[in-house]
Amino acid sequence: SQKIEQNSEALNIQEGKTATLTCNYTNYSPAYLQWYRQDPGRGPVFLLLIRENEKEKRKERLKVTFDTTLKQSLFHITASQPADSATYLCALGKTGGFKTIFGAGTRLFVKA
Amino acid sequence: DTGVSQNPRHKITKRGQNVTFRCDPISEHNRLYWYRQTLGQGPEFLTYFQNEAQLEKSRLLSDRFSAERPKGSFSTLEIQRTEQGDSAMYLCASRPPFRLGGREETQYFGPGTRLLVL
Repeated sequence: SQKIEQNSEALNIQEGKTATLTCNYTNYSPAYLQWYRQDPGRGPVFLLLIRENEKEKRKERLKVTFDTTLKQSLFHITASQPADSATYLCALGKTGGFKTIFGAGTRLFVKA
Repeated sequence: DTGVSQNPRHKITKRGQNVTFRCDPISEHNRLYWYRQTLGQGPEFLTYFQNEAQLEKSRLLSDRFSAERPKGSFSTLEIQRTEQGDSAMYLCASRPPFRLGGREETQYFGPGTRLLVL
């Protein structure tokens, strides 16, 4: 069955450093991969989407890579700030498809 | 555009009672999803509507769960004879109509309804 794995342990980093989160998947061929941010008690908020034919996408301090051979995406937050502390969810989908499959998320703590 | 809204935000009920949640999607979005999320997990797909048609329902979904979207606008999710295992955050998300190459893959989530079954 389809499986998405994200770092199960929380990631603790110092303010100003780069946070790198990993998303691995198996038994799935997504057309695109998304990253969402979720704060406690709130719904997820869309951050970035990268398609299967793209290697890298950037948006301000965020960078996503997508390796369909390794079945892996890396999500980077550069110059991290305490306000970046949240849970980050990886999600996979197919073009025109109904479902988006979510990973369990990685909790990020950025210390001042 | 006020985003996706959900009501109530919190619900406490006793085991065996029925509960109903409401979702109001972004007005021009014809696609609507319900998810369930438990602590430490990602959102788990429950069901999908395109306009008023329910096109997909998770096989994991018990027949105690039913969802409707009668006029293709708001949606309701009802859980009958609630069990303690139903305690979770219930999230609604909407998407704009599908257009190849568009931003239609993005899902816009509501704040969720947190259900506690005692």
